[in-house]
Amino acid sequence: GAVVSQHPSWVICKSGTSVKIECRSLDFQATTMFWYRQFPKQSLMLMATSNEGSKATYEQGVEKDKFLINHASLTLSTLTVTSAHPEDSSFYICSAAPPGSDNEQFFGPGTRLTVL
Amino acid sequence: GDSVTQMEGPVTLSEEAFLTINCTYTATGYPSLFWYVQYPGEGLQLLLKATKADDKGSNKGFEATYRKETTSFHLEKGSVQVSDSAVYFCALSGGYNKLIFGAGTRLAVHP
Repeated sequence: GAVVSQHPSWVICKSGTSVKIECRSLDFQATTMFWYRQFPKQSLMLMATSNEGSKATYEQGVEKDKFLINHASLTLSTLTVTSAHPEDSSFYICSAAPPGSDNEQFFGPGTRLTVL
Repeated sequence: GDSVTQMEGPVTLSEEAFLTINCTYTATGYPSLFWYVQYPGEGLQLLLKATKADDKGSNKGFEATYRKETTSFHLEKGSVQVSDSAVYFCALSGGYNKLIFGAGTRLAVHP
């Protein structure tokens, strides 16, 4: 099946710094990727839809200036958490649907962010 | 808006017991329905899916039937194994290929 990778798998940073998370589709091209946030023992919350070559579409309540998304190529989307604070600590997961997959999304392994 | 409701966990079963995890949905239109599984320390994997009413998705002994009349997609397995211990998420496809997830149900199977 299709493979989606994320890097890093975990990161610890100081409050006020910015952190970039990469999401790559390894064996297919993805014009659209999705970014989710998962709190401990809770479900995935869709944050935004990343569109190759255009602006991301953010879900209601998600700060676009806080969570910068760039989808510069058909295999790479990045999420930058700017001026991170402890409340941004979470598990961030990306996904992508290969062409012709009938809405089946493939998920990356996730990135655990801890802000001190 | 569209939403998914699934039974709260954790669900604790003995090996070889029968499993049901309930999932109901609210949606406009006719979404595809999915069950994803998240094993400890791993990312989400698609377990099974159904794209239209009365379709039955099945995989690894798990099955779920798309019931439009009851807006349900309950997950079942006749005999669970310890290796099935994981968190199970019911989801539907909203507009623009978005997935809307239920809260997740943690399953623990003991020998």
